[in-house]
Amino acid sequence: DTAVSQTPKYLVTQMGNDKSIKCEQNLGHDTMYWYKQDSKKFLKIMFSYNNKELIINETVPNRFSPKSPDKAHLNLHINSLELGDSAVYFCASSQDPAGPLGETQYFGPGTRLLVL
Amino acid sequence: QKEVEQNSGPLSVPEGAIASLNCTYSDRGSQSFFWYRQYSGKSPELIMSIYSNGDKEDGRFTAQLNKASQYVSLLIRDSQPSDSATYLCAVHTNAGKSTFGDGTTLTVKP
Repeated sequence: DTAVSQTPKYLVTQMGNDKSIKCEQNLGHDTMYWYKQDSKKFLKIMFSYNNKELIINETVPNRFSPKSPDKAHLNLHINSLELGDSAVYFCASSQDPAGPLGETQYFGPGTRLLVL
Repeated sequence: QKEVEQNSGPLSVPEGAIASLNCTYSDRGSQSFFWYRQYSGKSPELIMSIYSNGDKEDGRFTAQLNKASQYVSLLIRDSQPSDSATYLCAVHTNAGKSTFGDGTTLTVKP
């Protein structure tokens, strides 16, 4: 049973389109994240939600809008897609960032986005 | 200065050798440190976490932390070809987020 799942796995689209990526975790974690990993493999945090509330919002263009309908789901909507948005987007979850176990994160399989 | 810096690599070692991966961080208040392994085309997975100064061993892996020097390392003993991957250092800061280094790609040659 997959702990952190993402859909779709692959996404090929044209510039200017709007697309969404969905993420679900069944680990009972309170915190979820979106990361972007570019072609050079740099992994950068974009957003973090704790129990449906936005707690981290890095300098990401406002074309990216996360939504958390409940603490098990964190979706990412991207408006007006640009070539530079091509990357792998990883969703992750963790139990308690402030707790004694620190912040072990469990990653989803990734969504490979290609903007043409 | 980057918040988390790793030796740029790529790093190549022969099978059976010790692979040494290094990471430095800038936030002196950081409390939690993690090493993730990422195989090509896959997602990162945690292999070690360390919170206190000193060494922590788990099988062939040893994490070393020196908070005074703001340095954390990962040693892989008896390296195997299956250890070939990108290793990501992550530092959890008091700001409540984990910052990842840019990764070091390790190749273990048979």
